Amino acid sequence: KNEVEQSPQNLTAQEGEFITINCSYSVGISALHWLQQHPGGGIVSLFMLSSGKKKHGRLIATINIQEKHSSLHITASHPRDSAVYICAVPPMGGSNYKLTFGKGTLLTVNP
Amino acid sequence: NAGVTQTPKFQVLKTGQSMTLQCAQDMNHNSMYWYRQDPGMGLRLIYYSASEGTTDKGEVPNGYNVSRLNKREFSLRLESAAPSQTSVYFCASRLQENYGYTFGSGTRLTVV
Repeated sequence: KNEVEQSPQNLTAQEGEFITINCSYSVGISALHWLQQHPGGGIVSLFMLSSGKKKHGRLIATINIQEKHSSLHITASHPRDSAVYICAVPPMGGSNYKLTFGKGTLLTVNP
Repeated sequence: NAGVTQTPKFQVLKTGQSMTLQCAQDMNHNSMYWYRQDPGMGLRLIYYSASEGTTDKGEVPNGYNVSRLNKREFSLRLESAAPSQTSVYFCASRLQENYGYTFGSGTRLTVV
């Protein structure tokens, strides 16, 4: 099983701040997922990436395969970005169907 | 386009009762999944179906059974509910490996 660690566990920011959430994993992977869980409980898939960087609006995800580390950045944060952000990875050499999920980072953006 | 539809949204069961959680997707996705989410823990895979006609155990399959009725539908059955199965259950689907997931809105299950 691939161990996943997210940091920080909780993050409070002021509107407009640049946010960084980190994810580290223990064994090599083919791709990493970032998800967003809204306060109401709904889960949305944000990114799946296997190398480099991906950008969608104000969200940027990066991954360093050699260092087994990924970051999720939010530029110009807004209160509607308040959510739990979750990273997930497949097991080394194992099925991409069986992801291991981090416990999530709770982000609160204050106006 | 409804995406992934789960029913019911809430359910209270008594210990020993049985129930089936329903999940349907209208995106022609190949794989479907059932997860549970407990406080302080990440999502954990119960069962998955890589394609129509196949199902496989995930990380926490004990006490559950699944059926991939057709390409659209993937149900989760609790034969004899236990308080340890109190959780929020999410169904998800995706087109194929290395694609993103689409999640249902979740079922909050309480077993008393």
